[in-house]
Amino acid sequence: QQQVRQSPQSLTVWEGETAILNCSYEDSTFNYFPWYQQFPGEGPALLISIRSVSDKKEDGRFTIFFNKREKKLSLHITDSQPGDSATYFCAASAGGNYKYVFGAGTRLKVIA
Amino acid sequence: EAAVTQSPRSKVAVTGGKVTLSCHQTNNHDYMYWYRQDTGHGLRLIHYSYVADSTEKGDIPDGYKASRPSQENFSLILELASLSQTAVYFCASSDVGLQDTQYFGPGTRLLVL
Repeated sequence: QQQVRQSPQSLTVWEGETAILNCSYEDSTFNYFPWYQQFPGEGPALLISIRSVSDKKEDGRFTIFFNKREKKLSLHITDSQPGDSATYFCAASAGGNYKYVFGAGTRLKVIA
Repeated sequence: EAAVTQSPRSKVAVTGGKVTLSCHQTNNHDYMYWYRQDTGHGLRLIHYSYVADSTEKGDIPDGYKASRPSQENFSLILELASLSQTAVYFCASSDVGLQDTQYFGPGTRLLVL
């Protein structure tokens, strides 16, 4: 049973477009949502994160939009660059001593 | 300079054999983790540790053991490797707690034949 779902599985956009990666969850106790970026042959690295008290978090070209009522969040990558081509994982945690639950990931390809 | 290193980077093992994956961190972090990554499943937590000489079960511990002999080192042991354990294994560390930012190693690709 997947508690964190991501869509689409893969996404291709042109350079300069906005890529939108979706994430949904089931457990209403989740209150922290980090997004990790993974390049081929490397381990994941934290990209951006949001806590459930906020509905938006921005860091440069990367923005998380969070809808607590619908248990959904999305990662928007504006002005996508070929260097953004990677797999993006949405994760969730209930805080304290609760572990992360990772989604299956979205593989993004940005074409120049 | 890489703060979390893993060895070996890839390994081929035979079914029923013993496999040991090693992880070393120089972050001075208390928490260390072992995940496996399979296509379609993302990352799943196998074991973790928050202090030397102690380990905790994660979400999928069956078939795996872990060892934390020091703050810097964390090993994952497959006593009897099986085909289903073919995967990429990642080690990670974090500073204070389970919700803290996790820093991942480059991964070990394990193929069990």
